[in-house]
Amino acid sequence: ETGVTQTPRHLVMGMTNKKSLKCEQHLGHNAMYWYKQSAKKPLELMFVYSLEERVENNSVPSRFSPECPNSSHLFLHLHTLQPEDSALYLCASSQVNGGTPSTDTQYFGPGTRLTVL
Amino acid sequence: SQKIEQNSEALNIQEGKTATLTCNYTNYSPAYLQWYRQDPGRGPVFLLLIRENEKEKRKERLKVTFDTTLKQSLFHITASQPADSATYLCALQSASKIIFGSGTRLSIRP
Repeated sequence: ETGVTQTPRHLVMGMTNKKSLKCEQHLGHNAMYWYKQSAKKPLELMFVYSLEERVENNSVPSRFSPECPNSSHLFLHLHTLQPEDSALYLCASSQVNGGTPSTDTQYFGPGTRLTVL
Repeated sequence: SQKIEQNSEALNIQEGKTATLTCNYTNYSPAYLQWYRQDPGRGPVFLLLIRENEKEKRKERLKVTFDTTLKQSLFHITASQPADSATYLCALQSASKIIFGSGTRLSIRP
């Protein structure tokens, strides 16, 4: 399989549930990202990992917890979410060459459509 | 605060015409500007990148301009086709940050 894959593609959860989103990149990149995309709003960068270390955390509530066990895998652990967290969650990867992350072309996965009831 | 605006939420044009999408920004000095295409239910796909010292970049029927004085980028699709219908996002990058516009939904009617 090539590119960036995300599972599950769709997720419905209650506010008391705990779930995890998974992302895998098959491009040999060294940086991975989580974005949130809500209807009619710009993409919001949530977390950035470069060389498996978190380098950016854009004031995301603690009910979202990222994990990057290696350069190919990224998880987003979810617990006690709110209905306003319903959105499309996109994972992306890029190859950072000597600079900080967010300076290279990003390759996105198809996203997980999350609905919080 | 930093702000990025794409000219309109939706744009409808006739097949064969040139589609022009606008991306304006304020309070930001990007090193790069990128354009992405996003189809419904899919993640964005990279199209073109233009650097701050470049005025224009072309790729097949696509052309991007970048005017750092006007703080504006224009994205053109020439000889548009119904298959070009999608949402187009611009993204500004500096050394430490990336921000996306909310996108313009382009519809090409036959």
